[in-house]
Amino acid sequence: DIQMTQSPSTLSASIGDRVTITCRASQTISSWLAWYQQKPGKAPKLLIYKASSLESGVPSRFSGSGSGTEFTLTISSLQPDDFATYYCQQYYSYSGTFGQGTKVEIK
Amino acid sequence: QVQLVQSGAEVKKPGASVKVSCKASGYTFTSYDINWVRQATGQGLEWMAWMNPNSGDTGYAQKFRGRVTMTRNTSISTAYMELSSLRSDDTAVYYCIKGLPRSPFDPWGQGTLVTVST
Repeated sequence: DIQMTQSPSTLSASIGDRVTITCRASQTISSWLAWYQQKPGKAPKLLIYKASSLESGVPSRFSGSGSGTEFTLTISSLQPDDFATYYCQQYYSYSGTFGQGTKVEIK
Repeated sequence: QVQLVQSGAEVKKPGASVKVSCKASGYTFTSYDINWVRQATGQGLEWMAWMNPNSGDTGYAQKFRGRVTMTRNTSISTAYMELSSLRSDDTAVYYCIKGLPRSPFDPWGQGTLVTVST
C-alpha cells in the first residue's frame, strides 16, 4: 500500500500568516493527490485535486503544488475560517490512503 | 444535487456486527464508485473499502479483509458496509463517499457514529 506522510502534525500560526503543509508519498503517485479541510464534527471538504487544481468555490488563498512524491498545500494569508485540520490523500491507487493530518491552530 | 445520506448512529457490543447504509441521490448510482472511510475520535482518516455498484466489484484495505463486506441494492441506490467481530477500537464515525477511479473523494455522506461498548 502507498503510505502518505504529512508534516507538521500541528502548526501554530496567526491571522495573515503564510502557511505551508507538506505531504510525501512512499512511491510516485504522479499528480493524483487531493487536499481536504476538516472542521470538528464535520465531514472533510475537498480543497485541491490533481495536486494543484482548486475545487470550485474554494478561496484562491489556497494553492497546491508538487508531483511524483512531494507535495505542498499553501495558504497565502491565513483567515479565521482556516483554523482546521488538513489531510492529503493519494488516489493513484484504489486504496485512497490519507496522510495523518495537520492541525492548524491559532498562535 | 448529489447527496449521500447515511443511516443513524449505532451502539453495538464487542463481537457483534454492524451494517451501515448509504443512500445516493442526484446522480446515477451505478455510474460511480462508493468508498468507505472511518475516523476514530480525535484521529485521522482511514480508508476501508471500495465498491463499483454496477459490477459489484470490491476492494478492501488489508487491515479489514475478512471483517468488512460491501454490498448494494441498485433498485434503491443504496450501498451497505458491514463490519463484523466488532472491537472497542472500531468505535468511529464511518463515512461513505462517491468516487471514480483516479478521482478525489467528493462528496461525503454525513457520517455514522458506531460505538462499540459493553
